[in-house]
Amino acid sequence: QVTLRESGPALVKPTQTLTLTCTFSGFSLITNTMSVSWVRQPPGKALEWLGRVDWDDDIWYSKSLKTRLTISKDTSKNQVFLRLTNMGPVDTATYYCGRLRTTSNSFDYWGRGTLVTVSS
Amino acid sequence: QTVVTQEPSSSVSLGGTVTLTCGLTSGSVSTGYRPSWYQQTPGQVPRTLIYNTNTRSDGVPDRLSGSILGNKAALTITGAQADDESDYFCLIYMGDGISVFGGGTKLTVL
Repeated sequence: QVTLRESGPALVKPTQTLTLTCTFSGFSLITNTMSVSWVRQPPGKALEWLGRVDWDDDIWYSKSLKTRLTISKDTSKNQVFLRLTNMGPVDTATYYCGRLRTTSNSFDYWGRGTLVTVSS
Repeated sequence: QTVVTQEPSSSVSLGGTVTLTCGLTSGSVSTGYRPSWYQQTPGQVPRTLIYNTNTRSDGVPDRLSGSILGNKAALTITGAQADDESDYFCLIYMGDGISVFGGGTKLTVL
């Protein structure tokens, strides 16, 4: 059974750095075609693809966030991390992690999401 | 920068058929862009409907289908039901590991 769960702070202050953890089970991120991707969704708005880390250690970022975003993984702990610097009010969103299959570039499992609010 | 476009809203009569589309501001969507479709109701996690243009995810009824129509990816819903009323997002693979979601279509079932 594949599960993913996001964890991290619900509230961050402007200019702070957000760190989120995606803890997953039911698959290994060293298996061919596996990837874990981050997506966010501001309240009432569209989904936004942020980036992904692949089974072969490739990491890819949205062009719009590339300068602020770092994604990493700890394969031994089945965890993927998101680090987003210089947070501002526009970064207020529900952040999701999901398993993405690189061959089809589609999500097949999603975490429940975690709402992060940026406010002083 | 290329933007993925979707109709902001659409409507369909109960039992009717509707097609939602997913295009690019520059160029055409083809199967190589590996379009996928996701359904989301307010407050819920996205649900994967279609991947690789036209492959249904497990449990998705065959009244939902994906295709390429002209220069866009398309999601067609036939025999619309009340619980089809949702937001629908497409995801496009832009190459070099990068994907982009469309802005979403809010579907109303009348």
